[in-house]
Amino acid sequence: SAVISQKPSRDICQRGTSLTIQCQVDSQVTMMFWYRQQPGQSLTLIATANQGSEATYESGFVIDKFPISRPNLTFSTLTVSNMSPEDSSIYLCSVEELGGYNEQFFGPGTRLTVL
Amino acid sequence: DQQVKQNSPSLSVQEGRISILNCDYTNSMFDYFLWYKKYPAEGPTFLISISSIKDKNEDGRFTVFLNKSAKHLSLHIVPSQPGDSAVYFCAARRGGGSEKLVFGKGTKLTVNP
Repeated sequence: SAVISQKPSRDICQRGTSLTIQCQVDSQVTMMFWYRQQPGQSLTLIATANQGSEATYESGFVIDKFPISRPNLTFSTLTVSNMSPEDSSIYLCSVEELGGYNEQFFGPGTRLTVL
Repeated sequence: DQQVKQNSPSLSVQEGRISILNCDYTNSMFDYFLWYKKYPAEGPTFLISISSIKDKNEDGRFTVFLNKSAKHLSLHIVPSQPGDSAVYFCAARRGGGSEKLVFGKGTKLTVNP
């Protein structure tokens, strides 16, 4: 399976600032996804990062708050903008491999705390 | 509306015994189901999956059972080991690729030595 890394692994940020999270995969993948896991909750899909086009956002998530880039088949970024304490979560990148069958593989996550 | 439900937030079993983790779903369009394991400070790790055309899939100590009429699946771990202690997430998706995964809230399994 693909090896996925995320940067940073954790961060503590001030209210009103923005943080960009990077996701790097060691092989080309068709689909890249960004999830959020709030404390005690399930994983919730934020958006699908499409290579060469705008990301597709799930209900409740908007591009102004969570801008996403995907410049190529191995890299994506998620920015959490104008942060508030409610944005404190684990943010996870996942991928679906070329020729893969339904399984998604996850990165180690970025633990974000907003003060 | 929670389409995938894991009603037991936690489960504790003795080493060597069977662990049974349960998952219910409401969307009859789901046709592929996955289990993930998550250790603290790590991302979820894919464990095992099952297609709706099957009712059982086995991989070593892990077996997933699917009961489509009841919209229920379960993960059996036999024998349970202390290293299996983790949070287990059930996930489901609709047919084909590129459909999103819908996750349950997870069950924290503790295997006691």
